Order: sequence, then structure tokens, then C-alpha cells
Amino acid sequence: DGGITQSPKYLFRKEGQNVTLSCEQNLNHDAMYWYRQDPGQGLRLIYYSQIVNDFQKGDIAEGYSVSREKKESFPLTVTSAQKNPTAFYLCASTSGQGGYEQYFGPGTRLTVT
Amino acid sequence: GESVGLHLPTLSVQEGDNSIINCAYSNSASDYFIWYKQESGKGPQFIIDIRSNMDKRQGQRVTVLLNKTVKHLSLQIAATQPGDSAVYFCAESGDSSYKLIFGSGTRLLVRP
Repeated sequence: DGGITQSPKYLFRKEGQNVTLSCEQNLNHDAMYWYRQDPGQGLRLIYYSQIVNDFQKGDIAEGYSVSREKKESFPLTVTSAQKNPTAFYLCASTSGQGGYEQYFGPGTRLTVT
Repeated sequence: GESVGLHLPTLSVQEGDNSIINCAYSNSASDYFIWYKQESGKGPQFIIDIRSNMDKRQGQRVTVLLNKTVKHLSLQIAATQPGDSAVYFCAESGDSSYKLIFGSGTRLLVRP
């Protein structure tokens, strides 16, 4: 059953702690993305990776970090430097070969108190 | 279709009626456009897409119209059902072959 998985669905952290969100895909897609979504708003791009061992900053990369050591995995770390980390985080992937359609995971809701 | 601040525009339709959701896109270089449906607490789901060399594309109960002259995209849903209630996002490719630029979304409410 192909798709994108994100874990956990809900995550709670104390302020000042780093937290890593998981994203795995078995679609054999080259490109992967992380978005942040705040209530009643659209999707804002945090980081994206077109290929293994390479990634680029999106529109709101400050306070976040990523790695892409394997094609299937693109974890996102929300660091203590992110001023307002509470949000819904979405991971997506695309084949990257002329196809633009991005397939989304179910999302992780992060709450930092 | 674009929201201002924290308030999503909302379209309320009667069950069985047709719905039209509009979107203004920003980049005249965009050659690909896509509509997503997002239910509360879930990831966006693909509905339909269209390339810039077309002005209309139909799917099952959905039609996307593209007007490049005025940079406008619309999604038409025929015979709207309660299960269509969700937030709908348009997205454009912009200058990139890898990134999508998302609009702020429109909430569709279907009245029984």
C-alpha cells in the first residue's frame, strides 16, 4: 500500500526543546517537501529536497532543519529557535520528473507549551 | 478565492446544487495548476489538475476552468454532496518545476 506516512499524529513538547517530525514515503519519489499550516490559512513551504543529500530552504525555514540521507525519509526538526512552533505540519512528495502533483501525508499537529 | 488574514472565504451551497470556487493566481509563467481538497485535521487530497495549454478539464463531478488572460482558475463541483464540505486550495507551479505556490483556500459548506 503506497503512500506517505507521518508520525506521530499529535505531538506535545515544552518550550525550549527540539522535536523531530517523521516523514516516510514508499512511492519512490525523488522530491519531498515540508509545509506548515496555521489555523484558517494556506500552506507555507519550510524546506524541500529534490534529491538525496540535497535540500533547499523554503519561505519560512528559520528555526527548522532537515536532512535527506535516504530517498524514503525526510525528517523535520523544529528547534528551540522557532518562535511560534505550534502548528499543523504536512509532508509531501512528488516524482519530480515533469510531474508537479504533490502527494501529502496525514500531517502532524505539534503543540508547544 | 484568496483569503485575507485569518478568515477563509466561505461558500455555502444547498446539497444538490452546483458549486463554483474561484482562485486568482499570481504568476503568468505558471504552466501547471492543481486543486486540492482538505478535510479538517487531514492532509490535502488531489482533485484535478490542468496545464496551461488547456482551458478546461473535466473529472468525475468536477471541472477546472483556466483563464490565462485574467489569471483566474475555477473549480466547479456538480451536484454538491455533504461529503464535499472541506477547504479547497488552488496551487500554481510558478517559475519552478519542483515547487507549488498555494492559495489561502476557500471553505465549502454544504447545507442539507
